[in-house]
Amino acid sequence: AQSVSQHNHHVILSEAASLELGCNYSYGGTVNLFWYVQYPGQHLQLLLKYFSGDPLVKGIKGFEAEFIKSKFSFNLRKPSVQWSDTAEYFCAVTRTGSQGNLIFGKGTKLSVKP
Amino acid sequence: KAGVTQTPRYLIKTRGQQVTLSCSPISGHRSVSWYQQTPGQGLQFLFEYFSETQRNKGNFPGRFSGRQFSNSRSEMNVSTLELGDSALYLCASSAGQNNEQFFGPGTRLTVL
Repeated sequence: AQSVSQHNHHVILSEAASLELGCNYSYGGTVNLFWYVQYPGQHLQLLLKYFSGDPLVKGIKGFEAEFIKSKFSFNLRKPSVQWSDTAEYFCAVTRTGSQGNLIFGKGTKLSVKP
Repeated sequence: KAGVTQTPRYLIKTRGQQVTLSCSPISGHRSVSWYQQTPGQGLQFLFEYFSETQRNKGNFPGRFSGRQFSNSRSEMNVSTLELGDSALYLCASSAGQNNEQFFGPGTRLTVL
């Protein structure tokens, strides 16, 4: 069965610090990968997605993620965080061709201190 | 374009009752998925409907059911509610395979 692990439950950073959130998945086939963000009191929003091609994908608000197939990883990065990045971040995976059943990680809460 | 809407936003029920939640997808989207979000288990996939047919199902008991109408609106039903069913229930819609899912605000269900 597919599963997703997010290594950090809660990350606290100061503004301008660099961010890297880990995500590893378990699945033997071809996958689509996603990072979603949930700002306080708001809907889940898609940050970025990987389906195929360039393993370095860029998303909204300066976020990027790198798919490393050999490590089954899809880590999220941002060079310089802002207070407004305070949110919960979810990594998700689904089998390629099947988009309706996302498997989510448990999420990482990011707190950015001004 | 209007986003995914879910009604009601909040519900309080007692054990043993049943509940129906509603989801209206983004116009033109034919796939609707449902997820349960709890602090302990995180986001878990319930089921997905496409063109009125259940296409995928997660690992939830039969008390959880759903359906989709011809206009792509979807409902999910939970019968014989248990305390552990207290959660935020999220609906997401997409245009089809390999398309991103757009999430609604959720329905917060509290079972007393």
